[in-house]
Parts: sequence; structure tokens; C-alpha cells
Amino acid sequence: DADVTQTPRNRITKTGKRIMLECSQTKGHDRMYWYRQDPGLGLRLIYYSFDVKDINKGEISDGYSVSRQAQAKFSLSLESAIPNQTALYFCATSAGVAGGETQYFGPGTRLLVL
Amino acid sequence: AQSVTQLDSQVPVFEEAPVELRCNYSSSVSVYLFWYVQYPNQGLQLLLKYLSGSTLVKGINGFEAEFNKSQTSFHLRKPSVHISDTAEYFCAVSGAGGGSNYKLTFGKGTLLTVNP
Repeated sequence: DADVTQTPRNRITKTGKRIMLECSQTKGHDRMYWYRQDPGLGLRLIYYSFDVKDINKGEISDGYSVSRQAQAKFSLSLESAIPNQTALYFCATSAGVAGGETQYFGPGTRLLVL
Repeated sequence: AQSVTQLDSQVPVFEEAPVELRCNYSSSVSVYLFWYVQYPNQGLQLLLKYLSGSTLVKGINGFEAEFNKSQTSFHLRKPSVHISDTAEYFCAVSGAGGGSNYKLTFGKGTLLTVNP
């Protein structure tokens, strides 16, 4: 079984709808991240969480919110989806306190907003 | 804050040829450097990373990278590529000073296409 799972893997929604993307991990890591990938732009950080009570905005948090329900679960919500939120979304996890740790990525959720 | 520039968006090569994917970074603090690979329809996985010590870092699948502090570069190399190396490669940097510097900043990616 995969260590980092994301559901759904693909999602089509309409402008204005609220949707949630879910991430679960079995690696026992404290740190979890949400990124979006757009062609030619690389990955950009949306939110990150260093533990259940510590949630921080990344560089592109507008229009998104997150919930860290447990150490193993980190959800990303789009409150009112818009077409420019069409992208590939990745969840990642890492462990360690000194920096330089490897991030482990899920398989991604491909989101299309019509 | 840190930033990363990947100098080539696409690199086409023939099988068994050598390849170099270029990465330059900018930071006001000491850094950790990473190369991640994304195979088609998959998530990213770590190829190699530089934390400290020897500036030549060896990774998986025969790749290596050299940290050059004076040139602020971390170029990725492989002496002989295979068709299976076709993927997108991302250079990333984080600060070594703790706090928000732990965040990874990614480059825009280089698509390596290996042709037969």
C-alpha cells in the first residue's frame, strides 16, 4: 500500500462549488504540505502543517483552506472553486526537526474547474 | 527567502548520451539543495540532496549533482541516459536556518526527453 494517498485522484467540478481534497499518510510524519502544480510553473506551496495544532499559509493560500484532522490526515478545501484553480494538487509529508528532510509525495489529484 | 532557476525548460537527448540539467539558486542564508523527479502520471520522488560535506552528491538511477557555492549552482548530471529517464526534473532549495526556512522552494522544472 502507498504511504501517502490522495482522494479523489481526479475531480471535475463547476465554478462556485465547494470541494475537498483529502490526504492520508501511514509514514508517521508530523509535517504535511499541500502544493499545486501548473505547467511551466513548477510546484507552489499552498499550506503546510508542522503538527496537528500548527498550520501555516504558503505562497498561494488565497481561495484555499485546510484542516489537520489528525497526525495522519490533512485536507485541502476550495471554498468556492474558480477556473484558475484547475491544476494538479499534491500532498507531501516529511519528518525531522533540523531541516533538509526528504518530502514524500502522494500521487496527486487532478482538478478541473469548469 | 530562497529562489531557484532551472535554466532549461526542455532537454531532448538521445539514448546513451550524457546529460546535464542546470539549476541555480539564490539565498541569503545557508541552503539545502534537492533534485526531485516526476515520472509521467506520478508524484515526485527524491533523486538526491545536498545537506553538507562533500560537494559531489550521488543519487538513485546513476544521477549525481555537484554543489558549487561560488557559482550558486547545483547541476544534475548523468553520463549515459536511458529511455526510462524520460521525466520532469525539479530542483528545490530550502534554508538551513530553521523556522520558515525549512520550506522547499521549487524550480519550474526541466522536461528531459530521451529519444532512441
